[in-house]
Amino acid sequence: ETGVTQTPRHLVMGMTNKKSLKCEQHLGHNAMYWYKQSAKKPLELMFVYSLEERVENNSVPSRFSPECPNSSHLFLHLHTLQPEDSALYLCASSQDSDEKLFFGSGTQLSVL
Amino acid sequence: GESVGLHLPTLSVQEGDNSIINCAYSNSASDYFIWYKQESGKGPQFIIDIRSNMDKRQGQRVTVLLNKTVKHLSLQIAATQPGDSAVYFCAETLFSGYSTLTFGKGTMLLVSP
Repeated sequence: ETGVTQTPRHLVMGMTNKKSLKCEQHLGHNAMYWYKQSAKKPLELMFVYSLEERVENNSVPSRFSPECPNSSHLFLHLHTLQPEDSALYLCASSQDSDEKLFFGSGTQLSVL
Repeated sequence: GESVGLHLPTLSVQEGDNSIINCAYSNSASDYFIWYKQESGKGPQFIIDIRSNMDKRQGQRVTVLLNKTVKHLSLQIAATQPGDSAVYFCAETLFSGYSTLTFGKGTMLLVSP
């Protein structure tokens, strides 16, 4: 176990659905991240929260909406997704004094 | 833009062999480098890291080498085992207060018994 837990592990949704991905870290870190992992592409950084404030948003479409209610929890709200959004969504955490990321196991998302 | 890339998409070795996975980086300002291992159905798992003021760092059965002159990073795995089969990613960053790692595409390591 890495100390970063993501739920659900798998999600299938239609393009008109609304769903949320959840991430919880038990490492006492103060920064949390969402990454997208698609086949044959490098990991893409989507959002960064440091000390519960969003500090980075890498041109992610508005159909992805992050939420960080506290330093241990991170959500990714999904609505009206497209089939090309199908991917593995990874959550990670770090301490703000350290570059090292600790990843969860991801949510495998399929958009039909 | 800056990127991190890998020379070999797939590396096949025999159990007991030593494996070398290579990575080229293009941002000469990067001061921190890291290797991750990702097994099927799991998230990336930290293996070893190195800062730009070092050329070599050793862990348990793994060694990372950094050649800043040619902007090259390598991961050496000694006595490779079937459990080492996974995708290996390198990543680089210039630290800015929170992690901004740039990842390469990954190399698949296949270990045959």
